[in-house]
Amino acid sequence: GQQLNQSPQSMFIQEGEDVSMNCTSSSIFNTWLWYKQDPGEGPVLLIALYKAGELTSNGRLTAQFGITRKDSFLNISASIPSDVGIYFCAGHEGNTDKLIFGTGTRLQVFP
Amino acid sequence: EAGVAQSPRYKIIEKRQSVAFWCNPISGHATLYWYQQILGQGPKLLIQFQNNGVVDDSQLPKDRFSAERLKGVDSTLKIQPAKLEDSAVYLCASSLKVTQYFGPGTRLTVL
Repeated sequence: GQQLNQSPQSMFIQEGEDVSMNCTSSSIFNTWLWYKQDPGEGPVLLIALYKAGELTSNGRLTAQFGITRKDSFLNISASIPSDVGIYFCAGHEGNTDKLIFGTGTRLQVFP
Repeated sequence: EAGVAQSPRYKIIEKRQSVAFWCNPISGHATLYWYQQILGQGPKLLIQFQNNGVVDDSQLPKDRFSAERLKGVDSTLKIQPAKLEDSAVYLCASSLKVTQYFGPGTRLTVL
């Protein structure tokens, strides 16, 4: 089935640095969502995008819905230790309400 | 607002045994989802309910997995008999419209 390609697979950065990760698909998506998952917990929604070209911020997080509707990126500015976790992109393909997840980006932040 | 509740949080069983997981969605959310998340991967949809009816169970291994949502609120997911490859985190999510909210998951280990 459809898979979302997420990159990078993992990142090791220093506290205070900015982070960027992205997600691509081979088909058109109608929504893009970014989730963060901490160990032993379920994914927590960070940002939801519903329109092509949409740019949305949530505190230090900014995400964009690509104009081709086949990609999205997430930026984290001025990273802090609690940003550590796995970030997943997800989206609804076409007119379905089935949510498809990416493979995840593992973020490590060093003080 | 209370989040999605799941129990138990952890379960260890031997192969060929049976196991059941319980989920209580966010109040008022008509749609409920069960996902399987294997270590190192994104969540994969097993089954989706709209109220107490099944919308999508195309990826549910029906020879061993079953799920029900009798009164359109709580749901149970059962595995009988379990196999080693069923070791994973089982996540429940619910939604009112598009955005899905996840519970903490049940980590299943099959020995």
